[in-house]
Amino acid sequence: DAKTTQPTSMDCAEGRAANLPCNHSTISGNEYVYWYRQIHSQGPQYIIHGLKNNETNEMASLIITEDRKSSTLILPHATLRDTAVYYCIVPRGRGNTGKLIFGQGTTLQVKP
Amino acid sequence: EAQVTQNPRYLITVTGKKLTVTCSQNMNHEYMSWYRQDPGLGLRQIYYSMNVEVTDKGDVPEGYKVSRKEKRNFPLILESPSPNQTSLYFCASSPRQYNEQFFGPGTRLTVL
Repeated sequence: DAKTTQPTSMDCAEGRAANLPCNHSTISGNEYVYWYRQIHSQGPQYIIHGLKNNETNEMASLIITEDRKSSTLILPHATLRDTAVYYCIVPRGRGNTGKLIFGQGTTLQVKP
Repeated sequence: EAQVTQNPRYLITVTGKKLTVTCSQNMNHEYMSWYRQDPGLGLRQIYYSMNVEVTDKGDVPEGYKVSRKEKRNFPLILESPSPNQTSLYFCASSPRQYNEQFFGPGTRLTVL
C-alpha cells in the first residue's frame, strides 16, 4: 500500500465541519484513496473512496488534490457520534481493497 | 439486515485449548478476511479468501487456520492458542476483492 500520513488527533466542535487531511505523495495513477473509521473498538466502517474526482455520499465528501498527493475527508456537520479513529488507506493496485493496511489514523474528537 | 456476524464476541481461554471463532455474512459476498488488532500495531490481516475453497495467507498467519467450505462462512481456528494471540479479531467481507469491506463487530480473545 502507498504510505499515508495523517495527523494523530484533531478536535472539532459539534455542528461544524470536520476536515481530516491525508498525505499520500507516493500514490500511483491507478490507486484509489479509501477512508474508513472505527468507533471505540467496533468493526471499522467504510466511509468513501475516490480516484481523482471529488466524491460525495450520505456520510462525507472526499476532496482529492489535482496531483493526487493528498486528500481531505469532510464531515459536513459533525456530531458527537462521529468521534472515532479515521483511517486513510491507499491499497496497492487498481482499486485493490483485498488487503487493507490500517495505520494509526486520526483520532477525531467532536466536542459539544 | 445485511451484516457480518462473529461468535463468540468475548472469549477467555487457556494456552493450548483449541478454539474456533465463527464468521458469517448474509450478503453473498465472495471475498472474506480475518484481521487482528493490537495496541500500537493497528489492524493486520491474518488470512483471506477470494471464494469458496480458495484461501491465502495475510501478513500474520502463524498459529491460525481457516477454511471456506461454503460462501457465507469463514471460521478462524486456533489449534493451540498462546498468550501472544490475545487480541481483538475482526472478520470482514466484500462482494469481490476489489470492493469496500464490511466488518463484523469483533471478537475479544484472551489466552491465559
